[in-house]
Amino acid sequence: DAGVIQSPRHEVTEMGQEVTLRCKPISGHDYLFWYRQTMMRGLELLIYFNNNVPIDDSGMPEDRFSAKMPNASFSTLKIQPSEPRDSAVYFCASSDRFLSSYEQYFGPGTRLTVT
Amino acid sequence: GQQLNQSPQSMFIQEGEDVSMNCTSSSIFNTWLWYKQDPGEGPVLLIALYKAGELTSNGRLTAQFGITRKDSFLNISASIPSDVGIYFCAGQPYSSNTGKLIFGQGTTLQVKP
Repeated sequence: DAGVIQSPRHEVTEMGQEVTLRCKPISGHDYLFWYRQTMMRGLELLIYFNNNVPIDDSGMPEDRFSAKMPNASFSTLKIQPSEPRDSAVYFCASSDRFLSSYEQYFGPGTRLTVT
Repeated sequence: GQQLNQSPQSMFIQEGEDVSMNCTSSSIFNTWLWYKQDPGEGPVLLIALYKAGELTSNGRLTAQFGITRKDSFLNISASIPSDVGIYFCAGQPYSSNTGKLIFGQGTTLQVKP
């Protein structure tokens, strides 16, 4: 089975531009998580969904960040406008609460650089 | 919010040595997970623990769910160069049933051939 798929793997953009990160969770998983990883702050949970519904977005830094999950196989994280401090690696993870409880499976990440 | 204290922060060892790292919390957890992250990749699940006292192995890796439910440790025996990476513990607090995991800050392991 394919794992979590993220695109793009690398994104370089200029300050002020809109950035959209994409994620395809593992088929059949009902939870989807967006994380951000930096050297200073480690791995931070931004938002998570259950059955396509956002459950907790308390980790979203500010209104410039938004996330959607229009269906069970696709989610986006959008930053508009982007700022240099948004530079980080963004991970998407998914889990199946029924079969494997709290085990989360991560994608390869998107490395975002905002200049 | 709840935090996990993971130690040590980093380790530099000789190939063939055994490694031990641990994770502690001030509150009870009902699940402990251990992940490894290679450079440029996402964390990969190594071992999942669901019962206090549980001891689980995955090849040269062994992890235990502490009997107090407030800690867990991971051992790597006979380390090899490909063990290099960052190891994260993660847990699900007993007081929460949200599916969210709390992550430790990670242990960076370097192995000298």
